[in-house]
Amino acid sequence: NAGVTQTPKFQVLKTGQSMTLQCAQDMNHEYMSWYRQDPGMGLRLIHYSVGAGITDQGEVPNGYNVSRSTTEDFPLRLLSAAPSQTSVYFCASRGTGGYGYTFGSGTRLTVV
Amino acid sequence: GEDVEQSLFLSVREGDSSVINCTYTDSSSTYLYWYKQEPGAGLQLLTYIFSNMDMKQDQRLTVLLNKKDKHLSLRIADTQTGDSAIYFCAEFSGGYNKLIFGAGTRLAVHP
Repeated sequence: NAGVTQTPKFQVLKTGQSMTLQCAQDMNHEYMSWYRQDPGMGLRLIHYSVGAGITDQGEVPNGYNVSRSTTEDFPLRLLSAAPSQTSVYFCASRGTGGYGYTFGSGTRLTVV
Repeated sequence: GEDVEQSLFLSVREGDSSVINCTYTDSSSTYLYWYKQEPGAGLQLLTYIFSNMDMKQDQRLTVLLNKKDKHLSLRIADTQTGDSAIYFCAEFSGGYNKLIFGAGTRLAVHP
């Protein structure tokens, strides 16, 4: 039972590059979310999905895109990386009626 | 809007009790959570409380909820060095189907 799997664990990008952070869950969870964690700011919601084909914006969506073509996968795309996107990114999922989100182990992204 | 606030740092002696406090603003929150994050790791769900409860106990953990004051606390009995971590309070905003996190309280346990 893998839970929520995020890849890669670490990534360094140059300003202007694009990349996709992968997230997959094997628990058949309906709800999936992407958060970023910055020192002293807790976790802030980037985008979320309530099911395959349905996504919506969170608090800090600018510069990121998501899609949800399957229940299992919820990739996060950085369109043109900026230093302000240096952060730790967490993917999380929750089942219908579930009592809490299960988090992946995170992707540490540095944009130089 | 929704907001969750926590103190940023708490230092306790090993064996003492730790109390981490949190205030939230969304009175319609259905669940309130405590997550633990160890260095370099993801978030681990410690415990949660449903909004119609006042207290929940789970081994060394006690959660108290004061709905009137929108105040949540986590008490860790007999705190150990392995409890050193960042603890996040979060409320579930059902209207937006999202967790809203506080900034986290760093718990340091010393001998």
